[in-house]
Amino acid sequence: KNEVEQSPQNLTAQEGEFITINCSYSVGISALHWLQQHPGGGIVSLFMLSSGKKKHGRLIATINIQEKHSSLHITASHPRDSAVYICAILPLSSSGSARQLTFGSGTQLTVLP
Amino acid sequence: DAGITQSPRHKVTETGTPVTLRCHQTENHRYMYWYRQDPGHGLRLIHYSYGVKDTDKGEVSDGYSVSRSKTEDFLLTLESATSSQTSVYFCAISESLGALAKNIQYFGAGTRLSVL
Repeated sequence: KNEVEQSPQNLTAQEGEFITINCSYSVGISALHWLQQHPGGGIVSLFMLSSGKKKHGRLIATINIQEKHSSLHITASHPRDSAVYICAILPLSSSGSARQLTFGSGTQLTVLP
Repeated sequence: DAGITQSPRHKVTETGTPVTLRCHQTENHRYMYWYRQDPGHGLRLIHYSYGVKDTDKGEVSDGYSVSRSKTEDFLLTLESATSSQTSVYFCAISESLGALAKNIQYFGAGTRLSVL
């Protein structure tokens, strides 16, 4: 079983809809990251969370440490939001000289005009 | 954008040939990583480096080697390429600073490698 599970794997929405992408994990963590992968392949970091909620523009990320769950919300979605959204965790057990992220397999979001 | 350059961006090679991918950074970050990305899988760590000449294996290191002779360059070598190594390879950098760090990583644009 993967340590990080994202749902749904694919999501199609109409422009303007409110979107939620979910991430569940099975181990204790010190941080959770949301990243966006553009259609051209580039990957950018959106949020890093260790508790509560963060907001940036139309994007909101929440985390519930007790339930081992995080959500990424997009309000008033737009076709330019079409991308793969990736959840990654920094496990408490991560050892070695560089603490390593564990990535989910991503959610492909398509927003139609 | 973080100053990370991957080269080449695309490569087609034949089974059994050696291949070297380069990652160059201008951020002076200590940590550098090589990942591969395959359909149905999350990014998987191949090798990482925590300083010049300091490297360690990741989750999927078999068939790969790395070298870091300068802070700014991290090379990934496929010693004898196989079709299973067809993938998209990403380099990333971070300034992970110990237990309190959250390991925010900045990614290169990726290299698409096809092994025929």
